[in-house]
Amino acid sequence: KAGVTQTPRYLIKTRGQQVTLSCSPISGHRSVSWYQQTPGQGLQFLFEYFSETQRNKGNFPGRFSGRQFSNSRSEMNVSTLELGDSALYLCASSLEGWGTDTQYFGPGTRLTVL
Amino acid sequence: AQRVTQPEKLLSVFKGAPVELKCNYSYSGSPELFWYVQYSRQRLQLLLRHISRESIKGFTADLNKGETSFHLKKPFAQEEDSAMYYCALSGVSGSEKLVFGKGTKLTVNP
Repeated sequence: KAGVTQTPRYLIKTRGQQVTLSCSPISGHRSVSWYQQTPGQGLQFLFEYFSETQRNKGNFPGRFSGRQFSNSRSEMNVSTLELGDSALYLCASSLEGWGTDTQYFGPGTRLTVL
Repeated sequence: AQRVTQPEKLLSVFKGAPVELKCNYSYSGSPELFWYVQYSRQRLQLLLRHISRESIKGFTADLNKGETSFHLKKPFAQEEDSAMYYCALSGVSGSEKLVFGKGTKLTVNP
């Protein structure tokens, strides 16, 4: 099975712009979660989608949003970018998204905000 | 509040020496505990989870509910074990997010 893929792998944006990141889960996986990884805060949960519905949300401002399509592919959007949004954004997929499911991570998208 | 603490940011051992990466957690309920590993230039991947009680690549981890700990151990470290290790937890019921510790960078010297 192909692993989780994320596009693009690298992005450079300027403050105030918006960005969309894409994640394709492992075939058959219906849950997609997004995490932000920074040197200071480590890995922090953004949100989780299952069957096109946001099921869980972390403590991030409303500028961070996402969606999931019927084929389970997911996108996350960050509007009005700030310097502090520079991070590695990881996507993870699992079968059903239960706490006992194994999550499989993508390679990440490295976002740099100038 | 859910919290995972990995007290050591860096850990350096020599090849063949025992290694223990510490993890303590705070969770009101029954957690599922995981260890994830990230080797250089590779993606984050699951190493082991307490519910399966497996030994992966010689690593084991025991859940100690009394001490709320889930330390990762290996009796004889190898150079290829050098990586970033993250302890994580989630709830066992319902859809729960993964809460990660800040990670420990393990370096195994020759």
